[in-house]
Amino acid sequence: DQQVKQNSPSLSVQEGRISILNCDYTNSMFDYFLWYKKYPAEGPTFLISISSIKDKNEDGRFTVFLNKSAKHLSLHIVPSQPGDSAVYFCAAIHGSGNTGKLIFGQGTTLQVKP
Amino acid sequence: GAGVSQSPSNKVTEKGKDVELRCDPISGHTALYWYRQSLGQGLEFLIYFQGNSAPDKSGLPSDRFSAERTGGSVSTLTIQRTQQEDSAVYLCASSGRTTFHTQYFGPGTRLTVL
Repeated sequence: DQQVKQNSPSLSVQEGRISILNCDYTNSMFDYFLWYKKYPAEGPTFLISISSIKDKNEDGRFTVFLNKSAKHLSLHIVPSQPGDSAVYFCAAIHGSGNTGKLIFGQGTTLQVKP
Repeated sequence: GAGVSQSPSNKVTEKGKDVELRCDPISGHTALYWYRQSLGQGLEFLIYFQGNSAPDKSGLPSDRFSAERTGGSVSTLTIQRTQQEDSAVYLCASSGRTTFHTQYFGPGTRLTVL
């Protein structure tokens, strides 16, 4: 039972353009969502997060949008840079229990071409 | 300040052998997590330690897997009688008590079971 899904395994964009990475979830109990970025042979690094009480959170070139009714979130990167090329994981947390147990999607490999 | 460290970085073992994977979390972080990433898959939660509380073992795939955290710091993940399906990258993460959603990951241990 895949509670967090990233249906696009890969995405290729031109440098300077917008990258949009999508994520869907099934569990309405999730109340915090995160994006992690992973380079080869390294652990994931935290990128940006959003609480379920918000619909948008912005940090520099990165913006996360949350549509609770559709159980969908997206990460926008503008402008995209070659150094953004990595695997991006969407993750979600149950609010109750406060365990910090992250449920991850399968990841989307982003390639930004110079 | 050092980040999360894991050892060994790579481990090749024969089917049926036991393996131990080590994680040193960030100093002062009270929460420690183990995840694994199998080929082509997202990160799968295994176990979570928070301070002196009983660990959340809900993600351990079988009773061949166990983990302990000594002195509230270093953690060891043990896999007994390894199977080929145990081959994966095992990732450790840590976080502060009140910032549990922002987890800092180590580089992982790549386990290959022949």
